[in-house]
Amino acid sequence: DVKVTQSSRYLVKRTGEKVFLECVQDMDHENMFWYRQDPGLGLRLIYFSYDVKMKEKGDIPEGYSVSREKKERFSLILESASTNQTSMYLCASSRGQDNTGELFFGEGSRLTVL
Amino acid sequence: GQSLEQPSEVTAVEGAIVQINCTYQTSGFYGLSWYQQHDGGAPTFLSYNALDGLEETGRFSSFLSRSDSYGYLLLQELQMKDSASYFCAVSGGFKTIFGAGTRLFVKA
Repeated sequence: DVKVTQSSRYLVKRTGEKVFLECVQDMDHENMFWYRQDPGLGLRLIYFSYDVKMKEKGDIPEGYSVSREKKERFSLILESASTNQTSMYLCASSRGQDNTGELFFGEGSRLTVL
Repeated sequence: GQSLEQPSEVTAVEGAIVQINCTYQTSGFYGLSWYQQHDGGAPTFLSYNALDGLEETGRFSSFLSRSDSYGYLLLQELQMKDSASYFCAVSGGFKTIFGAGTRLFVKA
């Protein structure tokens, strides 16, 4: 059974803290993605990676960075958390260039920044 | 830029048929996909259309017209468990961009 695992389902952090969100997939997928989901806005792409050590900005990268040191792991980093980063964060993965549109999502990490 | 438009809410009766439309503006278009998300759950893949026409998977069908930059998801024989949010998404290269989602309410 394919699986995308996000390390934390719920986090509460304070403004200015550094936050790490971890995501691991066991499908040997080349592509990995970080989205944030907010009511009425759908899923917005923050960053994606199509290979180890490769990263590309999505539509809303400001305030975020990512790391992909190993194929199976893609981390999202908030260098200095702010209240407007309170959101649901979803990690996803997909096969290489055979882009049939199928993303596999993790269960999400709900981050609250106080 | 890229954008997708879909209705924010649709309500239908159990056993009925409902159609959720999606229009898009994008460059580097590869295909249109649909995802379902129940409250508190992860989005799950439903269908993908790379070519014009209708794709059928059980009670769900998806349609694409590339010339009109338009697609829809058709749900037949609605069941209460179909109450969820449905997202259309366009794939281009490595990126997949999502619409804001349509909340489907199925009434008894």
